Amino acid sequence: EPEVTQTPSHQVTQMGQEVILRCVPISNHLYFYWYRQILGQKVEFLVSFYNNEISEKSEIFDDQFSVERPDGSNFTLKIRSTKLEDSAMYFCASSRGEEQFFGPGTRLTVL
Amino acid sequence: SQKIEQNSEALNIQEGKTATLTCNYTNYSPAYLQWYRQDPGRGPVFLLLIRENEKEKRKERLKVTFDTTLKQSLFHITASQPADSATYLCALDIYGGATNKLIFGTGTLLAVQP
Repeated sequence: EPEVTQTPSHQVTQMGQEVILRCVPISNHLYFYWYRQILGQKVEFLVSFYNNEISEKSEIFDDQFSVERPDGSNFTLKIRSTKLEDSAMYFCASSRGEEQFFGPGTRLTVL
Repeated sequence: SQKIEQNSEALNIQEGKTATLTCNYTNYSPAYLQWYRQDPGRGPVFLLLIRENEKEKRKERLKVTFDTTLKQSLFHITASQPADSATYLCALDIYGGATNKLIFGTGTLLAVQP
């Protein structure tokens, strides 16, 4: 069964460094998303992406964040200058319509 | 203010019983309501979706109801098994469009005792 994959599974970085989280959505899906989950808290929407542009973004998704679909298969989330509070699990999801299929997540730890 | 609340942080039941999980929301008018399962350290897994004009949906041992007047959804797992132990999340899809965000509740941790 096709699934969303994410790399790396765990990323440790120093505050102020740039990180890129990578996702390979399910191949025939058209809609892509990033969510994050701070430890012990709820899953929070960051951004949705369709037709090579952002459809919607949350207030969390400020100028430090960007998304890209560089080659028709990968979908990336870049955080330009990481802060301690960016430490969280980041989930990529993709969809053809209503239900969303989530990847296993990347645990980002900012020191 | 807008809120999504799921009943009690943890629900413990005996194997074979029916688990009933509640999702209440305020100041939202979702087009769809979705339920997901999340295991520790993993991403949410889609279970069921119900539309605003539907009262009930079933899939195998799962049943979900949606009352837009009460602003409540109930999620039932019948003949529960220890393997059903997980956190269950309700999520609102406000516009019902694929490009739109899901707004998640905090989840209910279900523990099914053998």
